[in-house]
Amino acid sequence: EDQVTQSPEALRLQEGESSSLNCSYTVSGLRGLFWYRQDPGKGPEFLFTLYSAGEEKEKERLKATLTKKESFLHITAPKPEDSATYLCAVQAWNTGFQKLVFGTGTRLLVSP
Amino acid sequence: DTEVTQTPKHLVMGMTNKKSLKCEQHMGHRAMYWYKQKAKKPPELMFVYSYEKLSINESVPSRFSPECPNSSLLNLHLHALQPEDSALYLCASSQDLTQPQHFGDGTRLSIL
Repeated sequence: EDQVTQSPEALRLQEGESSSLNCSYTVSGLRGLFWYRQDPGKGPEFLFTLYSAGEEKEKERLKATLTKKESFLHITAPKPEDSATYLCAVQAWNTGFQKLVFGTGTRLLVSP
Repeated sequence: DTEVTQTPKHLVMGMTNKKSLKCEQHMGHRAMYWYKQKAKKPPELMFVYSYEKLSINESVPSRFSPECPNSSLLNLHLHALQPEDSALYLCASSQDLTQPQHFGDGTRLSIL
């Protein structure tokens, strides 16, 4: 069965204090790994897709990387507006393109 | 603002009521999805439509009935819901089943 585990569950940072969020996955053939950001009371906002080990994507203070077993979301010099829940999801070849299997997320709080 | 629009934003209904949730996108996407999300949990897939045809039904109870009248519109008809059905209902769309999904901000549903 496909599984996605995110750590830590919650992370508190000071503004400017860089850190990384982890997403470990077990799937029978990874088709794609997706990162989303979700603010309270809102739907998930798409951030990145990664398809193969070694791939990296960047957007402002965020950088996502992918290995054969895990993905990291690096946050450089975070600001309070980066506070949100970050969700990782995988799409596997064996379960079909339709299905995203989500992790339980990392709740990030950045204090000024 | 998200390009996937969901109405209503909030809905309170009794267990004997019939109501519908509506989702609209004008991005030309041909795949649309319904998810259910409980507090502090990741989204759970309910239904997938591809080219207006139902592609996946994740063993959802028959009190939830999806409908895709055209490529831009997705409805979720609700009847005789239970208190445990109270949740945030999210709609998403993607260009096709292989592309990233883009979410609306959801309908917050409360069953009395």
